[in-house]
Amino acid sequence: GAVVSQHPSWVICKSGTSVKIECRSLDFQATTMFWYRQFPKQSLMLMATSNEGSKATYEQGVEKDKFLINHASLTLSTLTVTSAHPEDSSFYICSARRPPGHRGYTFGSGTRLTVV
Amino acid sequence: KNEVEQSPQNLTAQEGEFITINCSYSVGISALHWLQQHPGGGIVSLFMLSSGKKKHGRFIATINIQEKHSSLHITASHPRDSAVYICAVRAGGADGLTFGKGTHLIIQP
Repeated sequence: GAVVSQHPSWVICKSGTSVKIECRSLDFQATTMFWYRQFPKQSLMLMATSNEGSKATYEQGVEKDKFLINHASLTLSTLTVTSAHPEDSSFYICSARRPPGHRGYTFGSGTRLTVV
Repeated sequence: KNEVEQSPQNLTAQEGEFITINCSYSVGISALHWLQQHPGGGIVSLFMLSSGKKKHGRFIATINIQEKHSSLHITASHPRDSAVYICAVRAGGADGLTFGKGTHLIIQP
């Protein structure tokens, strides 16, 4: 149990376009979702924390107007990369805390974004 | 600032060998996680530790809170264990995780 489904698994887009990444909790309600980014051979870095029904909290250095996070329901959080540039090419992954009674976090399968 | 250091960065071993991956961190934590990242990028949570030792199949994780150190061991390693193993900590009071850079493990047949 406690599965997070992330889509798409990979996407290629042109510079200047926007890309939406979805994370759905399939069998539990995720009140909090974390969004991470991973550049090649680097650590996963927390970008933002989203709580259902409220504004996301962004980490220092992450542009909130560029990386729009919406967590409108207990089972869906989305990350939209707006006006994408090649430097936004990265691996994006979401994570949610497991539901009460379970410990730890569950991760989406990740989205590899390539901006050309 | 919380730093998470892993060693080694890369490890190649023969099938059947005993594997140890180490993780050190710099601040007080509420929990430490060991994650397995497959070549496609997907991440699986192996362990969450706040003290002592846990075992799941051939995988064993230990943590020493006083020394701010954890180890992940794999017994009787197998080529399917080849992956990146990541140590991540949740600092006391923080919400998200801070990750190490990972250890790239290759088990050769």
